[in-house]
Amino acid sequence: EPEVTQTPSHQVTQMGQEVILRCVPISNHLYFYWYRQILGQKVEFLVSFYNNEISEKSEIFDDRFSVERPDGSNFTLKIRSTKLEDSAMYFCASRWRALTDTQYFGPGTRLTVL
Amino acid sequence: GDSVTQMEGPVTLSEEAFLTINCTYTATGYPSLFWYVQYPGEGLQLLLKATKADDKGSNKGFEATYRKETTSFHLEKGSVQVSDSAVYFCALTLVDYGGSQGNLIFGKGTKLSVKP
Repeated sequence: EPEVTQTPSHQVTQMGQEVILRCVPISNHLYFYWYRQILGQKVEFLVSFYNNEISEKSEIFDDRFSVERPDGSNFTLKIRSTKLEDSAMYFCASRWRALTDTQYFGPGTRLTVL
Repeated sequence: GDSVTQMEGPVTLSEEAFLTINCTYTATGYPSLFWYVQYPGEGLQLLLKATKADDKGSNKGFEATYRKETTSFHLEKGSVQVSDSAVYFCALTLVDYGGSQGNLIFGKGTKLSVKP
């Protein structure tokens, strides 16, 4: 069964550094998402991406965050000037076409900012 | 704004007990409703979904019925197993076709522990 993959599984960085989280969505899916989950809290939407551009973003997705689909298969989340409060589990998800289609989630990348 | 409220846990049950996890929602449009499950150390997996009122989603013995009149989507299972121990998230996505990009709005999650 096709699945969403994410790398790395765990990323540790120093405050102020830049990190790139990588995702490979399911190959024929058209919509891509990033969510985050701070430890013990609910899953929060960050950004959606369709047709090579951001289609919606939340208040969390400030100008330190960016997304890219550089090569038609990978989908990346870049965080510049990381802060302690960026520490969370980051999930990538993809969806085929219809709004009612299931979003499939990757296993997540745990980001720890020291 | 749009939101999901679910009963807070943790919920601890004995094996073969009946499970109910309450979920209610507030939505300005026409939501599709989902239950996702997160097993320890893993990502989110879709458990079941319902896309319109009175639909019943079911999977692995779990069921939930989309009740528009009570804006609810309660999760039930008749006989839980130890392997059902996980965190369960209720979520919605708006299907208004007017701008929604299908992002999911989650509840806070309910941790279920099933004891043998």
